[in-house]
Amino acid sequence: GEDVEQSLFLSVREGDSSVINCTYTDSSSTYLYWYKQEPGAGLQLLTYIFSNMDMKQDQRLTVLLNKKDKHLSLRIADTQTGDSAIYFCAESGDTDKLIFGTGTRLQVFP
Amino acid sequence: EPEVTQTPSHQVTQMGQEVILRCVPISNHLYFYWYRQILGQKVEFLVSFYNNEISEKSEIFDDQFSVERPDGSNFTLKIRSTKLEDSAMYFCASRDTLDRVDYEQYFGPGTRLTVT
Repeated sequence: GEDVEQSLFLSVREGDSSVINCTYTDSSSTYLYWYKQEPGAGLQLLTYIFSNMDMKQDQRLTVLLNKKDKHLSLRIADTQTGDSAIYFCAESGDTDKLIFGTGTRLQVFP
Repeated sequence: EPEVTQTPSHQVTQMGQEVILRCVPISNHLYFYWYRQILGQKVEFLVSFYNNEISEKSEIFDDQFSVERPDGSNFTLKIRSTKLEDSAMYFCASRDTLDRVDYEQYFGPGTRLTVT
């Protein structure tokens, strides 16, 4: 069945770049998403990429998609303490249900 | 900015009891969803709902679960007879349209359900 995997934890120094990685198994994925969850809050959509794209940039965020390897990454440039949160990779295919990874906890230290 | 709200934020119940989790989706949205996250595990899709009926459900969503939009503003998830393994964070989400131009599912903050 469909599966999405992420590493659980990432720690970076403020000002450095963060790269969060994700792999997925569903060949029919049409959309891939990155959601952010801050403590006590819901899941907030950060960015998305269509499966026929290989890169998307949105201010400090860069999404790279390697469809052949089914690998998705989120790069956050100039990481700030306010970026500390849990980041979820998700995909959707023929239907609009989202398949999520376990989430990567990003900790930014000064 | 409009947002999805959920009540209560935390619900504690005894095994075998019925619980109803409540959500108020964004007012002009037409598609509604429930997801859950067991502690330490992935966020899992439960059910999607449109036009007063279930569009899709996962194998988790068995006969113990039901959803309803009773009054045009609330969207509820009922668990008929709770089990210990139902303990999880339950997220409600809503979406304006299935048009891929506006694809975003807006999530509520979640209800933490603890079954003892």
